[in-house]
Amino acid sequence: ETGVTQTPRHLVMGMTNKKSLKCEQHLGHNAMYWYKQSAKKPLELMFVYSLEERVENNSVPSRFSPECPNSSHLFLHLHTLQPEDSALYLCASSQDFGQGNEQFFGPGTRLTVL
Amino acid sequence: GDSVTQMEGPVTLSEEAFLTINCTYTATGYPSLFWYVQYPGEGLQLLLKATKADDKGSNKGFEATYRKETTSFHLEKGSVQVSDSAVYFCALGQGGKLIFGQGTELSVKP
Repeated sequence: ETGVTQTPRHLVMGMTNKKSLKCEQHLGHNAMYWYKQSAKKPLELMFVYSLEERVENNSVPSRFSPECPNSSHLFLHLHTLQPEDSALYLCASSQDFGQGNEQFFGPGTRLTVL
Repeated sequence: GDSVTQMEGPVTLSEEAFLTINCTYTATGYPSLFWYVQYPGEGLQLLLKATKADDKGSNKGFEATYRKETTSFHLEKGSVQVSDSAVYFCALGQGGKLIFGQGTELSVKP
């Protein structure tokens, strides 16, 4: 595997389910990101981890819970979601957390909440 | 706060036409500027970037120049192809974060 991978690619869940999204980067980067992409809206940064420590939390509801066990893996744990949480969830990584650093994106997980 | 504004799409062009997608930004300090492209069913890919005023980023025939005086970073290509059909995102990098515009969908017809 190369670059940034995400699993699953598609997920359908009910509002009472608990699920997790997984992201893995094979680039040796030190920073990882979760974004939410909704139709007709700019990408929304949700969480940032640098060297496995959370450095950004953009007022995201607590029903989204990130986890970064090491610099290569990032999870997004989901529970009691709402239909408006349906979106494409993108993971990205960059060499470091700093200005000018290019971010490399995964293909995303298309989430549908029923 | 910092923000990015892109021209609304969709933009529909014939093959070999000239492309311009406008992007303007509002930022404190001296951000880096990026264009990302998203093909159907895929994540975002970096198309080009510029890190300081008057820099020109270029890749695959696309160009954009960092214009501090007009706070702009317009994307141009002299002759588009059907394979350029995608959504294009302008972004600024500030304090380790990327702030994106809403995206502009480009459709190129043969």
